[in-house]
Amino acid sequence: GQNIDQPTEMTATEGAIVQINCTYQTSGFNGLFWYQQHAGEAPTFLSYNVLDGLEEKGRFSSFLSRSKGYSYLLLKELQMKDSASYLCAPMDSNYQLIWGAGTKLIIKP
Amino acid sequence: GAVVSQHPSWVICKSGTSVKIECRSLDFQATTMFWYRQFPKQSLMLMATSNEGSKATYEQGVEKDKFLINHASLTLSTLTVTSAHPEDSSFYICSALKLAGVSYNEQFFGPGTRLTVL
Repeated sequence: GQNIDQPTEMTATEGAIVQINCTYQTSGFNGLFWYQQHAGEAPTFLSYNVLDGLEEKGRFSSFLSRSKGYSYLLLKELQMKDSASYLCAPMDSNYQLIWGAGTKLIIKP
Repeated sequence: GAVVSQHPSWVICKSGTSVKIECRSLDFQATTMFWYRQFPKQSLMLMATSNEGSKATYEQGVEKDKFLINHASLTLSTLTVTSAHPEDSSFYICSALKLAGVSYNEQFFGPGTRLTVL
């Protein structure tokens, strides 16, 4: 079957670094996306990985290991506005995104 | 990135009425669009995959006669919630698939429609 595993909730301090891990199983693979979702809003795109390795984009970086079915999102210099849910979503062979419940990130001053 | 719009952004209706939600890809053609539903504090749930010019593919447990999907053009898909009931109150989000070759294919999300059925 297809499934996603992420921690339910994480807490970090403003200015710190946090890593959100994700393991996945899909039928086929067309890359993996990370989205940010604030309560009551649609997801917004953060990053995309299709090859193994690290993709860096400002304060956000994402890593992928296809052989391990593993990805992580790294957030640096955390700001209060980063408090949100972070969704790891691999795309399967039908171009469908597979969703888990996401990780709720709480930033404390 | 590409732009996807949804209309309306929110709607309140009486139980038993029907509500139509539009999803448009504004700057690209989308052969495939997806409709999701999200209840508070839950993950996005795929309802159906909408393909231009053909019948939508519904996920298990989603009533196709209740949630009518029409994808008549490459830039527009509509979801009609027929005979809506309070339990249909939810956040409905569409996405449009932009195919860009072997290496990069992305779903672009609309801003969502919040439906409240009284």
